[in-house]
Amino acid sequence: NAGVTQTPKFQVLKTGQSMTLQCAQDMNHEYMSWYRQDPGMGLRLIHYSVGAGITDQGEVPNGYNVSRSTTEDFPLRLLSAAPSQTSVYFCASARGPNTGELFFGEGSRLTVL
Amino acid sequence: AQSVTQLDSQVPVFEEAPVELRCNYSSSVSVYLFWYVQYPNQGLQLLLKYLSGSTLVESINGFEAEFNKSQTSFHLRKPSVHISDTAEYFCAVSDRPGAQKLVFGQGTRLTINP
Repeated sequence: NAGVTQTPKFQVLKTGQSMTLQCAQDMNHEYMSWYRQDPGMGLRLIHYSVGAGITDQGEVPNGYNVSRSTTEDFPLRLLSAAPSQTSVYFCASARGPNTGELFFGEGSRLTVL
Repeated sequence: AQSVTQLDSQVPVFEEAPVELRCNYSSSVSVYLFWYVQYPNQGLQLLLKYLSGSTLVESINGFEAEFNKSQTSFHLRKPSVHISDTAEYFCAVSDRPGAQKLVFGQGTRLTINP
């Protein structure tokens, strides 16, 4: 029962570096999303996808790119990391955009120096 | 756009005491409400949800929440808490009965003291 798997769990970057946070789910879910969690601000939606080949922006998309070439994978790319992107990132999936439950990964803690 | 306010960032209670975690949402014609729980070093898990029907919804571990349309609230309650309930609790809202573009509140950290 892997569910939603995120890698890496921890990462330290320098300002200006790029990296990709990986997310994979083995539940054949149509809907996938990325959130960032910051103290006192809860979770904010970065990008989401309602199926392979379809992505859209959430509340805080600037500085991040996504793609959805397969149903299983939904990577999040930071093109040029900034200290403001220091956060805990969560990938989540759901059977479909209109189902009532998100399944979350365990999170990826990113620090940008 | 939908929004959610959780009025308390931290709630300390003694074991076996009752607890209420407060959640208010912005009014909308259609509203669907959720509570998620995050145990230490884990991702979030769905605790309970209101989609339609009875305004009182329950979870399998003794929590309940009541949808109050006139007060635009969806407070979470438990009559007697256990140490294992220590976690952060997030209220979330959507204008559709699903996961798409779910909007989360700021979270309430529940600490249970023995």
